[in-house]
Amino acid sequence: DGGITQSPKYLFRKEGQNVTLSCEQNLNHDAMYWYRQDPGQGLRLIYYSQIVNDFQKGDIAEGYSVSREKKESFPLTVTSAQKNPTAFYLCASNGLANNEQFFGPGTRLTVL
Amino acid sequence: QKEVEQNSGPLSVPEGAIASLNCTYSDRGSQSFFWYRQYSGKSPELIMFIYSNGDKEDGRFTAQLNKASQYVSLLIRDSQPSDSATYLCAVNSLNTNAGKSTFGDGTTLTVKP
Repeated sequence: DGGITQSPKYLFRKEGQNVTLSCEQNLNHDAMYWYRQDPGQGLRLIYYSQIVNDFQKGDIAEGYSVSREKKESFPLTVTSAQKNPTAFYLCASNGLANNEQFFGPGTRLTVL
Repeated sequence: QKEVEQNSGPLSVPEGAIASLNCTYSDRGSQSFFWYRQYSGKSPELIMFIYSNGDKEDGRFTAQLNKASQYVSLLIRDSQPSDSATYLCAVNSLNTNAGKSTFGDGTTLTVKP
């Protein structure tokens, strides 16, 4: 089955810790995206990548970092510089010729 | 002004009625328009996309696009309780990366039996 996987489903972070959220896709999509969603809100773009070894900041990149070493993988690190990281994090991908985005199941991050 | 605005909810309709969801966008270079459905605690899933002015129908769903007025709407006919969800409007623009979408804040729909 083709799709996007995210892990873990739930993640708890202590203040001052860095944590990394995993996102893997086997859809052979070139572009991948990370969004943050707060309760009752829409999606806000954190980072996106159109090609391996290249990525761009979205609207709320401060306190986050990413890498794109493989086409299939786009991990997101939430650093200690992100002061309010509790949210639902969604990874998505699309092929450049098809603008529809496919979403993973999400990771819910909570700061203890 | 937000780039993509959706009518504020929540929206409540009785079962069997037509639900109408609206979205306006500010970038006249926008070329692709999407409606996603998101159930509580789940990730969004695409239900409709539209590229050209006019109507596009798929089962009980109809997307309507008017580029001159910069709005896109979604009509759900014969609404069912299973349609209760948040609906997100997304817009892609010629002025940005073609695959990158700007999302509205969503409209929450409740269909009452």
